[in-house]
Formats: sequence, C-alpha cells, structure tokens
Amino acid sequence: NAGVTQTPKFQVLKTGQSMTLQCAQDMNHNSMYWYRQDPGMGLRLIYYSASEGTTDKGEVPNGYNVSRLNKREFSLRLESAAPSQTSVYFCASSAGLMNTEAFFGQGTRLTVV
Amino acid sequence: DAKTTQPNSMESNEEEPVHLPCNHSTISGTDYIHWYRQLPSQGPEYVIHGLTSNVNNRMASLAIAEDRKSSTLILHRATLRDAAVYYCILRDTGAQKLVFGQGTRLTINP
Repeated sequence: NAGVTQTPKFQVLKTGQSMTLQCAQDMNHNSMYWYRQDPGMGLRLIYYSASEGTTDKGEVPNGYNVSRLNKREFSLRLESAAPSQTSVYFCASSAGLMNTEAFFGQGTRLTVV
Repeated sequence: DAKTTQPNSMESNEEEPVHLPCNHSTISGTDYIHWYRQLPSQGPEYVIHGLTSNVNNRMASLAIAEDRKSSTLILHRATLRDAAVYYCILRDTGAQKLVFGQGTRLTINP
C-alpha cells in the first residue's frame, strides 16, 4: 500500500524561485492537508481541502497556494520562495470524519537559500 | 477549536508503563480525542482515538476522564522505539481541519 506519497523528498531553492510540492493518496480519502514543521517545533497547518473542489486556509497560509487537482492529488505551490519557508512539509489525508485517522506522507525537506 | 495542553517533555525507562496526560477543559460533547506520535525524522502516525469510553488497541490504551476534560495515553511497556513526540488533538463534527499543538517529547531510557 502506497498510502500518501509526496514528491520530491528533498529540494533546494534560491530565494524568489517557485516550485510545487506534489501529494497523492490512494485511499479514496475526502480530506487532504498540508503542514509545515520547523526545526524543534510542532506541525502547523498551511491549507486543507475538506473535499474535492474545496480548499481552506489553515494557521499559516501566507506565501502558499494550493490546488486540489482531483480526489487523489493535492499540491502546494510556493510562488516566490523565501528563506523563512525553509521547513519540512508534510501532506496528510483522512476520510474526513472526526472519528477517522489521518495518514501522513514522509515529508519534503525544503531549503531556501 | 478546543485546545489541548500537554507537558513539554517526559522521561521513562524501558519496559515500564508510561502515562502521557492531556488536558482539554473546553472540549465539547462531540469532540473526539485523537493521539498521534511522530518518530524522529518521520511523519506523524495515528495511535488511538476515543469519544467517551476507554479504548485499547495494539499500540496503546486511552483513558478518558468521566467529565472528558482530560485524557491519558498509556503505553503499557515502553520500548526504545516509543521515543517520539506525542500529540493530543481534538476533532469535532464541524471542523475538517486537523490542528496539532506542541506535543510531549517522550524519552525512553534503556
């Protein structure tokens, strides 16, 4: 079972460059999430998608855009990367009900220089 | 969102039970209590969840106070592999988002 797959696993960007982080899940889940985790800190929610066709801001959405391409895929775009966006990014998915578990990808380690 | 409060860190010894507390005094009647853990250099993984009754699974037990204002994750026999950050999270009917707090960093001594 693949579960939640994130690509790439590592990326180095120069300040001002753009990139898209990809996330796909094969569990037919309705809800998908993007988080960032700075060193020694907890996870902070960037954006989430409760269902296909909807997206909503989380705790730290500034500097990011998302697209729920279809039920399987949820991408995160950095239009103009900044050093403050250096972090580990995690994608997650769940069936969307409050009594169901979420599954996480292995993360993308992004460094902006 | 109802908030949770956990100790920043805890320490225990291998093969001993561990009790990880979580306070959620503003919990509503429909909030589920979820626990996740994050091993070093990995994404979080689900541990257990419950609503009112105590719950057991192969990983842990969840003890929920009668007034639901607090809960305790119990690892019955800790191993070195259980060293991780443990997050207590509330999920309610209306909110689709899943918000993490700072969690408890658990250290297991050999």
